[in-house]
Amino acid sequence: QVQLVQSGSEVKKPGSSVKVACKASGGTFSGYTLVWVRQAPGQGLEWLGGVTPVFGSPNYAQKFQGRVSITTDESTTTTYMELSSLTSEDTAVYYCAKAVWGAFNLWGQGTMLTVSS
Amino acid sequence: EIVMTQSPATLSVSPGERATLSCRASQSVKNNLAWYQQKPGQAPRLLIYGVSTRATGIPARFSGSGSGTEFTLTISSLQSEDFAVYYCQQSNNWPPMYTFGQGTKLEIK
Repeated sequence: QVQLVQSGSEVKKPGSSVKVACKASGGTFSGYTLVWVRQAPGQGLEWLGGVTPVFGSPNYAQKFQGRVSITTDESTTTTYMELSSLTSEDTAVYYCAKAVWGAFNLWGQGTMLTVSS
Repeated sequence: EIVMTQSPATLSVSPGERATLSCRASQSVKNNLAWYQQKPGQAPRLLIYGVSTRATGIPARFSGSGSGTEFTLTISSLQSEDFAVYYCQQSNNWPPMYTFGQGTKLEIK
């Protein structure tokens, strides 16, 4: 069974960047889409972007274009999400998830990002 | 960008009763509509995809329906574990882009 295991909590200062990792273990890596979704405290779910490793090129929500970068390392079956120019509004739990048939059927445990001076 | 609107924001229902949650898309999403359940401190859990197909392990009391721009999640007989927040989500085909509704909180009446 594939599992998605994310890196640990982060505390960053405004204006800095963060890179969150999501490692897929227990199954194949390529051939499906990995996405990143965030959830600010007490708020709903927001899609940031995703990548299908076999095709290579990621795509991003318009809101985050130019500020988010999603990369993959197939040798370690790890996907990374880097978010730059952080503000307090980026404080949220960040999830990676596997997309199949347009829906997210497997989720990582979440990574809490706190942006604070 | 397709906007997803869920109603109501909060729904109060007694255990054993039926709950009906709505989701409207700003334009047709064809059959690319999914529903999730989220409990406090947990990642979302996929319930329904493709409008009406239950995900693995999801009880039959959860059902989805609709087409185009109007969709419904029905929980036929509420169990205590069903009280949670529910989100709808649409996807377009290629490149894959996704948007969520703002959520409906299902609470015990």
